[in-house]
Amino acid sequence: TQLLEQSPQFLSIQEGENLTVYCNSSSVFSSLQWYRQEPGEGPVLLVTVVTGGEVKKLKRLTFQFGDARKDSSLHITAAQTGDTGLYLCASGSDEKLTFGTGTRLTIIP
Amino acid sequence: KAGVTQTPRYLIKTRGQQVTLSCSPISGHRSVSWYQQTPGQGLQFLFEYFSETQRNKGNFPGRFSGRQFSNSRSEMNVSTLELGDSALYLCASSVPGTGTDTQYFGPGTRLTVL
Repeated sequence: TQLLEQSPQFLSIQEGENLTVYCNSSSVFSSLQWYRQEPGEGPVLLVTVVTGGEVKKLKRLTFQFGDARKDSSLHITAAQTGDTGLYLCASGSDEKLTFGTGTRLTIIP
Repeated sequence: KAGVTQTPRYLIKTRGQQVTLSCSPISGHRSVSWYQQTPGQGLQFLFEYFSETQRNKGNFPGRFSGRQFSNSRSEMNVSTLELGDSALYLCASSVPGTGTDTQYFGPGTRLTVL
């Protein structure tokens, strides 16, 4: 079973700062997804990365997939209070996802 | 298009009871997956149904079961509830075969076992 480790587990920063969270695996990802979950809601898909070395941008969010497809990072520029939430990486196939341990991000106004 | 809906949103039960949770997928989605989310274990896969058949199953005891109806709606059942079953139960729907593994999650059912 593939294990996905995310770091840091908790992160609290001031609005306007930049941050990076990480997702690492002991084995190669077939593809990797990043989700954000807000309190009282289910996870919402942010992006899917498939190719090693791939970089995708979603407004102030930049997602990078490692060349060896065993790690990924999410960088947020100029964080806003609306970025607060639980960030989860996930990988899998056939509608069976394995989720990472999550990074709980709090943006302080 | 309406999203994934789950009912009820909140549920309180006592040990030994059983519970049934319901999930209505996005229209046109034929696969429904169930996940359990707890602070200690995170999000864990329970099982997945497609065309009324269970295709995948996670590592949970037999007390956890599910089914899917012909209209793709799904239910999961937990029998003989234990305190450790307190969790947020999420269902997700998708269109299998698209190759993107994109799942759309509902808001979850918060189960508390006393």
